[in-house]
Amino acid sequence: DARVTQTPRHKVTEMGQEVTMRCQPILGHNTVFWYRQTMMQGLELLAYFRNRAPLDDSGMPKDRFSAEMPDATLATLKIQPSEPRDSAVYFCASRSGVGELFFGEGSRLTVL
Amino acid sequence: AQKITQTQPGMFVQEKEAVTLDCTYDTSDQSYGLFWYKQPSSGEMIFLIYQGSYDEQNATEGRYSLNFQKARKSANLVISASQLGDSAMYFCAMREGHYNFNKFYFGSGTKLNVKP
Repeated sequence: DARVTQTPRHKVTEMGQEVTMRCQPILGHNTVFWYRQTMMQGLELLAYFRNRAPLDDSGMPKDRFSAEMPDATLATLKIQPSEPRDSAVYFCASRSGVGELFFGEGSRLTVL
Repeated sequence: AQKITQTQPGMFVQEKEAVTLDCTYDTSDQSYGLFWYKQPSSGEMIFLIYQGSYDEQNATEGRYSLNFQKARKSANLVISASQLGDSAMYFCAMREGHYNFNKFYFGSGTKLNVKP
């Protein structure tokens, strides 16, 4: 059963630490999205890639967030340094070019 | 302006009854897609139903149907014969843009509670 895999599922860290979240999209999907979900802001688009190239990262705080796709099977979202306001659930989703987004189970980040 | 508006933060429905979750959207594109996702308390996002802007028939998937009114820019989700397992957050989403540059926008969600 093809699925998007995200790691870690849960992460608790202290303010100022670096956090890296990883995503393995469904094999053959060429579009990858990163979303952040909070109670206050809902689902916010942070960045998205097509064929590994970043197409839009306007939703991402540039000073501390970075997103990359080093190969077709791995997307990463990095926060350095992390802050308490970054606490959220981070979702990765992939798509084949048509149809719906397939979401991973999310990475729940808590920054103390 | 909000791309997707869901005006019902929370709703209650009696088990076995039908319920309609509202969604309006804003786009100037001619080609776009509308989606509904379910997020149970476990947190995963589950795709429910899709409607393309050129589809003339309303989409249906089992107990889910999408009431698409293009002129009013609305895409309401209808759940028939509600079940306790339908209690969840429901998100309306829109895909707009061209093939090589699609963006997906999500509404703020509606929390549905199904009462026994």
